[in-house]
Amino acid sequence: TAGITQAPTSQILAAGRSMTLRCTQDMRHNAMYWYRQDLGLGLRLIHYSNTAGTTGKGEVPDGYSVSRANTDDFPLTLASAVPSQTSVYFCASSGSSNSPLHFGNGTRLTVT
Amino acid sequence: GQNIDQPTEMTATEGAIVQINCTYQTSGFNGLFWYQQHAGEAPTFLSYNVLDGLEEKGRFSSFLSRSKGYSYLLLKELQMKDSASYLCAVRDSNYQLIWGAGTKLIIKP
Repeated sequence: TAGITQAPTSQILAAGRSMTLRCTQDMRHNAMYWYRQDLGLGLRLIHYSNTAGTTGKGEVPDGYSVSRANTDDFPLTLASAVPSQTSVYFCASSGSSNSPLHFGNGTRLTVT
Repeated sequence: GQNIDQPTEMTATEGAIVQINCTYQTSGFNGLFWYQQHAGEAPTFLSYNVLDGLEEKGRFSSFLSRSKGYSYLLLKELQMKDSASYLCAVRDSNYQLIWGAGTKLIIKP
């Protein structure tokens, strides 16, 4: 089934450890995004990539890094996790600046 | 700053009509989106408005007034499966999406 695949579905991570959240899309979309969703808040953009080889910072980039080596993959790395990074993380993609976003099923991360 | 406002929660009866409002203040405007998100799932696209007026899509309609910074999502003939959160998002002058916190819609039989 075409779309966006995120892995893992959920994870419990000890504070100070590193982790990479994986995101792969097969729609050949140029733009990809990482959001976090916390109760009572809107989706907040962490990092984005308008095309392979380029990345940009969103609203809440601190503590996170991304790479975009090719069109399909957009991994998000937490170098040293902190409890405030406990959240649900969504990866999304879009075909153009006027197109709607397609979302992956999310990764629920708990940092203890 | 940029801001999207929507009610936190609404309750409606199965078979009825409900209107979910969204007001926005953003740096520029390049379209407004509505998404549906069931609990524990990903947001899914419902509608897109870039010009003033009403866009109808089956039981769902979305309205936009750019001069008032206002939109609403209208859901008709409510079904239990419509119980979900509804997210309003505006694309600003930099083509970045600004998201509201979402409106949780509870449908009662």
